Formats: sequence, structure tokens, C-alpha cells
Amino acid sequence: EIVMTQSPATLSVSPGERATLSCRASQSVSSNLVWYQQKRGQAPRLLMYGASTRATGTPARFSGSGSGTDFTLTISSLQSEDFAVYYCQQSNNWSPITFGQGTRLEIK
Amino acid sequence: QPQLQESGPGLVKPSETLSLTCTVSGGSIRAETYNWGWIRQPPGKGLEWIASVHYSGSTYDNPFLRSRVTISVDTSRNQFSLKLSSVTAADTAVYYCARSYIGPWAPGEWGPGTLVTVSS
Repeated sequence: EIVMTQSPATLSVSPGERATLSCRASQSVSSNLVWYQQKRGQAPRLLMYGASTRATGTPARFSGSGSGTDFTLTISSLQSEDFAVYYCQQSNNWSPITFGQGTRLEIK
Repeated sequence: QPQLQESGPGLVKPSETLSLTCTVSGGSIRAETYNWGWIRQPPGKGLEWIASVHYSGSTYDNPFLRSRVTISVDTSRNQFSLKLSSVTAADTAVYYCARSYIGPWAPGEWGPGTLVTVSS
């Protein structure tokens, strides 16, 4: 099983500032890394796939980077609607697909 | 964009089988280029992938749940289903169905989720 570790668990940032979220895989997942945003009471929303490709509808202020074991999701200028929980997920190995434990992005 | 909707009992007794169905509207489950799957989230916790299926019958499942999971497709009803046997309280979760392009699993369409509680 590939273990995905996200840091920090909680990130407090002011609106308009930059947020950087990290995700590390226990072994290489190449560029097969996915990011989701989840708001309370809602299903996750696909943000990024292939580590750095924005999904349809993802604003340009979201960017993803990394390959192998270390990945980053950056939100360049936080908007009020961006405060949520973010999950990374590896899609390199079906046995099994695994998620990180999530990073809660909260308003400072 | 298709709509996905989960349905099934909200309460299941321990040791019984949890059965859920995902109905797809506004798109065909027979689409060659998509996989369909189930993900769950225990209350207040993170996400866990359960299994995925292609309409052709190809399946992928979580080896930690494999002995208890059955995923299947009903093309005549444009639905796919999940059965999870021998449930315990640890299986209490919101269950989501989702659709991803074939290839690396990255679902862009999700159902709203349905809470299943395992309790006597």
C-alpha cells in the first residue's frame, strides 16, 4: 500500500495570501497525483490531476507541482470560497488507490 | 455532465450486507472512456477508495476490503452497485459513487453521498 502523508494538518492563512499544501507518497507515484477540495457536507471536488493539470472549472490561482514522492498544491491568492479541506490521492497503483489524511485550510 | 445519485438503506445491522446503487442520468454507463466507482468517508474522517468498475466488467478493488466487496454494472438500468458483506460499526460512513476517465483514477463527477449507519 502506498501511504500518502499531507502536511500540515491545519493551515491558517489570511484571505489574499498564498497557501502551500504538501503531499508526500511513501514510494514513487510518478505524476499520478490528484488533488480534491471538500467543503463541509459536500462531496469532494476534483481540482488537479496528473499532479499539475487543472480540472475543468478549477481557477487559475490553483497550481500543482511535483513528481515521484513530493507534491505541492499552491493557491496564489486565497478567496473566501477556498477555505475547505484538501485531499491528495495517488492514482498510480490500483492496489489500492490511497488518499492523504487531508489538510484543513482555515481563515486566519 | 452526467448526474450520479446513490440510493440504498441508511441503516444496516452488524454482520449483514450493505447494498447501494448509483443511478447515472444524463449520460450512458456504457461509455468506453469511463470507470465508475465507490469511495467512502467515515464521519469526521478521511476518504477511502472501495472499488471501481468499467461497463465491460473489468473491476478494481481495495485489497483490504476485497473479500467483502462486490461491484457490478447494470447497463439496462444505467446503474452500478456495491455490496459490502459482514459489516461492522467500522463500515459506518458516507458512501459516494463517482465517475473517472479511464486510466489513472481521478473522478470529476460525484454523487452527493449517502450516509450508511451500521447498528443493531
